[in-house]
Amino acid sequence: DTAVSQTPKYLVTQMGNDKSIKCEQNLGHDTMYWYKQDSKKFLKIMFSYNNKELIINETVPNRFSPKSPDKAHLNLHINSLELGDSAVYFCASSQVGGAYEQYFGPGTRLTVT
Amino acid sequence: AQSVSQHNHHVILSEAASLELGCNYSYGGTVNLFWYVQYPGQHLQLLLKYFSGDPLVKGIKGFEAEFIKSKFSFNLRKPSVQWSDTAEYFCAVWKTDKLIFGTGTRLQVFP
Repeated sequence: DTAVSQTPKYLVTQMGNDKSIKCEQNLGHDTMYWYKQDSKKFLKIMFSYNNKELIINETVPNRFSPKSPDKAHLNLHINSLELGDSAVYFCASSQVGGAYEQYFGPGTRLTVT
Repeated sequence: AQSVSQHNHHVILSEAASLELGCNYSYGGTVNLFWYVQYPGQHLQLLLKYFSGDPLVKGIKGFEAEFIKSKFSFNLRKPSVQWSDTAEYFCAVWKTDKLIFGTGTRLQVFP
């Protein structure tokens, strides 16, 4: 029944490691997003994909690589993790265009030690 | 720089008090406006949204917001808050294919 799901919920890892976060939506939406929420709760878009095509890349370091195998999935791979990558990462999906509500996943809390 | 501003960073209220959270944006032209809520430990949920028409928008759980174009504002209101309204509230603007969030307002409601 979960509309937007993410795995894992928590991720603790050491600097320099590579990790992935997976996102799946069962709403039939064409557009998916990744957001980063920092320790002060500030939310900022990282990427958006429409039907597997990258639409927005908000000057995110190229250590972050999103991959969309199909329009229901948008995964985030992070190479060479740094302390500053510690945050909560939210996946979201919506129909195309700004008129539509975005549905958010439960978030993945990434802690880099 | 263009932005979305939420001036109230932390608001503390007693139950039954009235609530108004400020949101101002600095984008010109047509904007779509949203308020999202994040309850403790949960994901973001939409409270309400404005695209066009009546500038007074009603959302879920008794919340409403008023779009004032001349003031570039979209303030959130609730006449009587409950303890369960304790959460983080985010104003957002849809502009140039993306949702731009304000810095959020933490609301604490005490019984």
